Amino acid sequence: DAKTTQPNSMESNEEEPVHLPCNHSTISGTDYIHWYRQLPSQGPEYVIHGLTSNVNNRMASLAIAEDRKSSTLILHRATLRDAAVYYCILRDDRDSWGKLQFGAGTQVVVTP
Amino acid sequence: NAGVTQTPKFQVLKTGQSMTLQCAQDMNHEYMSWYRQDPGMGLRLIHYSVGAGITDQGEVPNGYNVSRSTTEDFPLRLLSAAPSQTSVYFCASSYHGGATGTQYFGPGTRLTVL
Repeated sequence: DAKTTQPNSMESNEEEPVHLPCNHSTISGTDYIHWYRQLPSQGPEYVIHGLTSNVNNRMASLAIAEDRKSSTLILHRATLRDAAVYYCILRDDRDSWGKLQFGAGTQVVVTP
Repeated sequence: NAGVTQTPKFQVLKTGQSMTLQCAQDMNHEYMSWYRQDPGMGLRLIHYSVGAGITDQGEVPNGYNVSRSTTEDFPLRLLSAAPSQTSVYFCASSYHGGATGTQYFGPGTRLTVL
């Protein structure tokens, strides 16, 4: 299975943008890039996903490199509620189950 | 919709005891799964189900049993609890599988085995 590499932690000031990098140099053509986040003492929640093109939704934006070997999750204006562990996960479309394989993720700290 | 619900929220067991962690969803999702999360680590898949009557093993299935008799419920049974099973357990469901099926997680059950 293709793996992802993320920084252990990142800090941001409130109301500033946060750019979370993810490297996935062994990504295959059938891998979708997913992001989930886990707030303290809660289960993970879906943030966004994409295949080749950049994606936007109400929570965040996902920028995917042209060669797809890396991607960046962008939180446009961080709030205290965005403090969480963010997981970058590859999901193979050939896998009918589409299992999620979680790494250690990036701990985002937001300071007022 | 209540989404994915899990009971109990907390549980303390002695080594060798058995128990069942309950998971239910009211979204008519076919796919359900159980994960465990140890301190400071990501989640690991224990068992999953792609529909009523169909289950399969995940990454760390030893010591756990599952069955899926209805679409709504997916209980996880610990047969003989061990301290190594101290963890937080999350149940998840999704409408469909594949690489685009969004998984919805429950709030978790924190289990301590003494």
